[in-house]
Order: sequence, then C-alpha cells, then structure tokens
Amino acid sequence: QVQLVQSGSVLKEPGASVRISCKASGYTFTSYAMSWVRQAPGQGPEWMGWINTNIGNPTYAQDFTGRFLFSLDKSASTSYLQINSLKAEDTAVYYCARVGSGWYMAYWGQGTLVTVSS
Amino acid sequence: EIVMTQSPATLSVSPGERATLSCRASQSVDTNLAWYQQKPGQAPGLLIYGASTRATGIPARFSGGGSGTEFTLTISSLQSEDFAIYYCQQYNKWPPPYTFGQGTKLEIK
Repeated sequence: QVQLVQSGSVLKEPGASVRISCKASGYTFTSYAMSWVRQAPGQGPEWMGWINTNIGNPTYAQDFTGRFLFSLDKSASTSYLQINSLKAEDTAVYYCARVGSGWYMAYWGQGTLVTVSS
Repeated sequence: EIVMTQSPATLSVSPGERATLSCRASQSVDTNLAWYQQKPGQAPGLLIYGASTRATGIPARFSGGGSGTEFTLTISSLQSEDFAIYYCQQYNKWPPPYTFGQGTKLEIK
C-alpha cells in the first residue's frame, strides 16, 4: 500500500532553516508528482507547489517562492521541503501529498509540525 | 487565482440524517474538484475526485456532484465517524495554484 512517512516535529528559532523529509513506499516513486501543503493552526490547507519526481523540476505557488525549496533523492524515494529564513508565521503543519490520476492529493503524509519561536 | 468558497462554515446534523455541503469556484473548474475529510490531529484524506468519483475505500454514503462552478458533497446517513472538517480543492487550471476552500465543519447536533 502507498505510504508517505514524514520526519518528526521541529522547533526552530526565527532566521533558521529546516528540512522536512517525506519517504514514499508502495509505488514507483518517479511515476507520480509530489505536492507540498501547508496548514497553519486553525486554518485550511494551502497548496505550496509540486515537484516532478522524474526530472526533479519544482513548481511553487506564488506565496511560496524564494524561501521554500523542493528537492528529491530518487534513489531513496524521498522528497524534501526546505524552508530558509524561518519566520513566526511559518509555524504550521507541512504535508507531502502524492498526486493521483489528476492533480488532486491522493495520498498524504502524516504531517510535520514546524514551530518557529525564540 | 481561483477562489473556492465553501458553505456553510459549520453544519450541525444529527446522526442518521443527511448532510449536504457546498463548494463554489470563482470560475469554471469543469469537474476538476476534489473533496477531503480531516479529523482532529490527522492529515486530510481524499474522499472524492473528478467531482463525483469516490476514492478507494470510501463508503457509498458519500457522494459528490456538480460541475463548472457549483459542487456538492452529500453524506446520506451520517455516522459518528463522519463528524469532521471537509475541504474542497480545485485542480483545473494550469498554471497552479490548486486552491482549497476554507472548509466546512460538520458537527453533531
């Protein structure tokens, strides 16, 4: 069965960086794009963008350009989200989500809570 | 950017009754519309895609309808495990973003 397992919760100070991993199993990693979704406390999900898991090309939503970076390790079937220059407003749960036959989120990781606080 | 608007924000329904949730898109998304269910402390899970196709393992009491700009999610006979927050998402236009609605909280009456 398809599984996406994310790295654990982290507490970071403002200005630091964080990298979240998302390990996929149960399917051919390079056959489906991977999206990233942010959910701030008490808010709905926000689609951050996606990465082509075949060629590694990322696409970012407008609000997630500059400090947010998607990357891959195809040999490890793992996607990564890196956030640089963390701000308090980056505090949220971040999800990886594999697309389905269309650009909907067919499978989700369990989420990674990133808390930014001094 | 396509704006997705869900109504109502909160819906109070008794177990065994029918619930209908609405989602409106600011421009046509054809049938490129998905519904997700989220319970406290959990990731969202896919219920419906293509506006009306149930995802694998989703019970038949969940049904989706609509096209263009108006969509509905109907739960025919509410079970205790159905009380959750429901989000719609459009995935129609290129380029993205593939925007979510703000959610409808389905609570026990």
